Amino acid sequence: NAGVMQNPRHLVRRRGQEARLRCSPMKGHSHVYWYRQLPEEGLKFMVYLQKENIIDESGMPKERFSAEFPKEGPSILRIQQVVRGDSAAYFCASSPGQGLEQYFGPGTRLTVT
Amino acid sequence: RKEVEQDPGPFNVPEGATVAFNCTYSNSASQSFFWYRQDCRKEPKLLMSVYSSGNEDGRFTAQLNRASQYISLLIRDSKLSDSATYLCAVGNYGGSQGNLIFGKGTKLSVKP
Repeated sequence: NAGVMQNPRHLVRRRGQEARLRCSPMKGHSHVYWYRQLPEEGLKFMVYLQKENIIDESGMPKERFSAEFPKEGPSILRIQQVVRGDSAAYFCASSPGQGLEQYFGPGTRLTVT
Repeated sequence: RKEVEQDPGPFNVPEGATVAFNCTYSNSASQSFFWYRQDCRKEPKLLMSVYSSGNEDGRFTAQLNRASQYISLLIRDSKLSDSATYLCAVGNYGGSQGNLIFGKGTKLSVKP
């Protein structure tokens, strides 16, 4: 019974490039959440999605960041024109429903050089 | 006032000790509460949900005090493997909301 899967685990991008982070939720889970964790900081909510719908993107920066969860395939967090300040660990979590426990994937560590 | 606050620690305790963490939250309408543990450079792992009646899982006991807006985690008979950062998380659901708000975590170090 696979848990939440994320890839890549580590991603290095130069300033100005695009970063694509992928997340496959646990089997049976249709709710996906993306969080960002900066070094020595807490987890910060970014976006909440269900299949083909963005439910809450109140934590997402207005520019350069976007997310999707298509009918088929993983959820994708896309960061365009990355800057050094985007370097962080990006975690995806999934739950079987709103208000229920969230289970986290291993994260993608993004380094922008 | 921050939405979810925790004492950052570190808490340095000997093996076998009992240690307690508190976490306060600001939104009185919060509906769900959880404790996670996070090891260095790893993902948060769900430790337990926190219910109004309190709940216990082995050496771990979690309690919720809605009147004072805090949750607590008690670890009895600490093990070296309990060394980690403990995160409390609060959920405010309804409408389009569904995310968890995390505290910054309390670091625990259990020494031999």
